[in-house]
Amino acid sequence: DTEVTQTPKHLVMGMTNKKSLKCEQHMGHRAMYWYKQKAKKPPELMFVYSYEKLSINESVPSRFSPECPNSSLLNLHLHALQPEDSALYLCASSQRQGSTEAFFGQGTRLTVV
Amino acid sequence: LAKTTQPISMDSYEGQEVNITCSHNNIATNDYITWYQQFPSQGPRFIIQGYKTKVTNEVASLFIPADRKSSTLSLPRVSLSDTAVYYCLVGDIYTGGGNKLTFGTGTQLKVEL
Repeated sequence: DTEVTQTPKHLVMGMTNKKSLKCEQHMGHRAMYWYKQKAKKPPELMFVYSYEKLSINESVPSRFSPECPNSSLLNLHLHALQPEDSALYLCASSQRQGSTEAFFGQGTRLTVV
Repeated sequence: LAKTTQPISMDSYEGQEVNITCSHNNIATNDYITWYQQFPSQGPRFIIQGYKTKVTNEVASLFIPADRKSSTLSLPRVSLSDTAVYYCLVGDIYTGGGNKLTFGTGTQLKVEL
């Protein structure tokens, strides 16, 4: 199983809502990543978890809150987002942080209204 | 991290060989070169990785000259389904904490009939 599964595939939320994005992998990978991608731009790294601990936070606003409950799951909690936060949110995993062979999910298309 | 430079876009026709070059003048001794492919509204997909000379797999070949300051991704006999964005990444796969898996601007390849 070389899949990274993200749910939901699409999400529309209001600026006062609280929602969560979920990511799951069963490859035994110990590094997991959240990326944000705007149209016609490269993926932009947000967070890196290594062995379930937050390793890198790329100065992401606190309205985005990551969580890694166990080695297979990664969540991104969203609260009080702005319309400019609308984007494709991608989750990825790799054997360990530093491995450049990563597996990406299909992404969650988020629209903030 | 070594910065990479790629052409913004390339056009080709079905059945042709496509070569996409990436410049990485500041590549470090321990850095590897990795290429990803991304289709619209999907996560990037690992294509190939190499350190020096030539690497070939079922999808592509990667040519790296002796000075390693550039690399060329070669796609044999492209088809319409190869239309995608191709990203070149450079990083040390063994340092763990230092590698952020950062994407550059990428090359939009368009294949026509």
